[in-house]
Amino acid sequence: EVQLVQSGAEVKKPGESLKISCQGSGYTFTKYWIGWVRQMPGKGLEWMGIIYPSDSDTYYSPSFQGQVTISADKSTNTAYMQWSSLKASDTAIYYCARHVVVTAAFDLWGQGTLVTVSS
Amino acid sequence: EIVLTQSPATLSLSPGERATLSCRASQSVSSYLAWYQQKPGQAPRLLIYDGSSRATGIPDRFSGSGSGTDFSLIISSLEPEDFAVYYCQHRNNWRDPITFGQGTRLEIK
Repeated sequence: EVQLVQSGAEVKKPGESLKISCQGSGYTFTKYWIGWVRQMPGKGLEWMGIIYPSDSDTYYSPSFQGQVTISADKSTNTAYMQWSSLKASDTAIYYCARHVVVTAAFDLWGQGTLVTVSS
Repeated sequence: EIVLTQSPATLSLSPGERATLSCRASQSVSSYLAWYQQKPGQAPRLLIYDGSSRATGIPDRFSGSGSGTDFSLIISSLEPEDFAVYYCQHRNNWRDPITFGQGTRLEIK
């Protein structure tokens, strides 16, 4: 089955670090970009950044540049997003999604990871 | 950066009716316009790509149209499972930022 499986929900305190994951299976992971999308509570979708797992070429939205780090490990078919110092405003659901360059669309989505940052 | 504006914010219709959702770009865009459906507690699902191509497994009551700055998602006859939030999304080329519209909530009247 072609799928993206994300790591489980996290509850963190402000200032803590965090790394969440997105593992692809059922397809050639290194042939597609993986994007990350934030959805704050009750809000819309915001694109954060995108990585090409084959060579780790990465682009960030200007809104998230410097706020998060996206990485990938092609040996385990896994993409990551990490924060060095979380804020309460990072509370959201984070989705990874497979990006198809020829259509510029996200055709496969992970189930989402809920990150809650609270003191 | 291109801004996508969706209208209306909320659309109230009954099952069996036709729904027309709009997505307007701040400047002329290529046909790289996609539409997604998101139901509560679920990840978004790709419906339409390249402005008018249905994704795999999407019923033919969903169609997309448009060019330039104005695009539409049309649901020809609403089924109960179609009531959800819909987003449009664009990327001009592979190095450009990806943008989403703010969403249209389709609710049962």
